[in-house]
Amino acid sequence: GNSVTQMEGPVTLSEEAFLTINCTYTATGYPSLFWYVQYPGEGLQLLLKATKADDKGSNKGFEATYRKETTSFHLEKGSVQVSDSAVYFCALSSGNEKLTFGTGTRLTIIP
Amino acid sequence: EAGVTQSPTHLIKTRGQQATLRCSPISGHTSVYWYQQALGLGLQFLLWYDEGEERNRGNFPPRFSGRQFPNYSSELNVNALELEDSALYLCASSLSARRKETQYFGPGTRLLVL
Repeated sequence: GNSVTQMEGPVTLSEEAFLTINCTYTATGYPSLFWYVQYPGEGLQLLLKATKADDKGSNKGFEATYRKETTSFHLEKGSVQVSDSAVYFCALSSGNEKLTFGTGTRLTIIP
Repeated sequence: EAGVTQSPTHLIKTRGQQATLRCSPISGHTSVYWYQQALGLGLQFLLWYDEGEERNRGNFPPRFSGRQFPNYSSELNVNALELEDSALYLCASSLSARRKETQYFGPGTRLLVL
């Protein structure tokens, strides 16, 4: 079955540091890949997505590239801000359309 | 454009009672999904409705059920509540699921079972 393995948290960084959150997946066929973000006390917001190999999703300074050869979709940002503090979920959708999520990575940015 | 809305925002019930959670999708979206986010267990898929029909179901007991109405809004019903049902319940909607459209989430209903 489908699965998503996500970098364990929590992750604490200083403002303006470089961020990488690793995500790898196992899936049949050609899944779509997503990063969702959950701010404290809120639901999930779509951060970015990629639907085929070598696609790069980007939004709000975050980027992730769909790497089929390494089955990865790592999230990166060049310079994080305090407002980026949240829980980040990697997810995939394949065939039966439900989303399969990773366990989430809690990110805290300190000024 | 209004996003996915859910009601109520918070719900407190006692063990054995029934809970009803509601979701209104984004206008034009026909698919509705329900997920459970329990503490320490991550996000688990519950149910998927499309065009009024249940299309897929996660690994949850039959006391978790729901329906989708002609206007594509949806209800999730949880019968015989147990303490471990305490969780954030998230609803998502998408355009036709057959085209692998992106799911957009609502703010969730936080259910507490005492």
